[in-house]
Amino acid sequence: AQSVTQLGSHVSVSEGALVLLRCNYSSSVPPYLFWYVQYPNQGLQLLLKYTSAATLVKGINGFEAEFKKSETSFHLTKPSAHMSDAAEYFCAVSGSSGANNLFFGTGTRLTVIP
Amino acid sequence: NAGVTQTPKFQVLKTGQSMTLQCAQDMNHEYMSWYRQDPGMGLRLIHYSVGAGITDQGEVPNGYNVSRSTTEDFPLRLLSAAPSQTSVYFCASSYVGGGGQFFGPGTRLTVL
Repeated sequence: AQSVTQLGSHVSVSEGALVLLRCNYSSSVPPYLFWYVQYPNQGLQLLLKYTSAATLVKGINGFEAEFKKSETSFHLTKPSAHMSDAAEYFCAVSGSSGANNLFFGTGTRLTVIP
Repeated sequence: NAGVTQTPKFQVLKTGQSMTLQCAQDMNHEYMSWYRQDPGMGLRLIHYSVGAGITDQGEVPNGYNVSRSTTEDFPLRLLSAAPSQTSVYFCASSYVGGGGQFFGPGTRLTVL
């Protein structure tokens, strides 16, 4: 079975500061891992994905995430926050056997302070 | 490409009414799914399909029906709406193989 835990339902950072959103996963098979972003009143947009290739994954809008099997983590980072990064971020996991079904974390709302 | 489209955007129902949420995609994706989003709970899978004529249940299927007669369309039916089904519903699609799903804009449903 797969599950995801996102630590911190709300994170606030100053504009220009490092963004770090935490995600830990549990999976009975080698996982595929994803980060999605949701802007207010919109659907979810894929930021980046890990599918068992390189452990450091680069995504859109300057975000990246590192898969650490020993820590069962897939934290999302961005070196310098921008006001436009304010949104809700979801981590999700699926089984690497080809299963598409996603199991989502409860989300982290990012606030960027000018 | 329009991607994944959903109609309606908003809907208010009375308890016991039925309705169908529409979802269509023009990317020739085999896999389609429905999720519901509730505050503090993330997204939870309701039903999914890996191709025309094939559907299966997700985490929270009770009270919902689906069918998949074409590759493009995957409607979600509420047979007898309940206040507990007040939520935002998202449809998503992808190729089979787990590469990440494309989401529609959502339908905000309120059941009174």
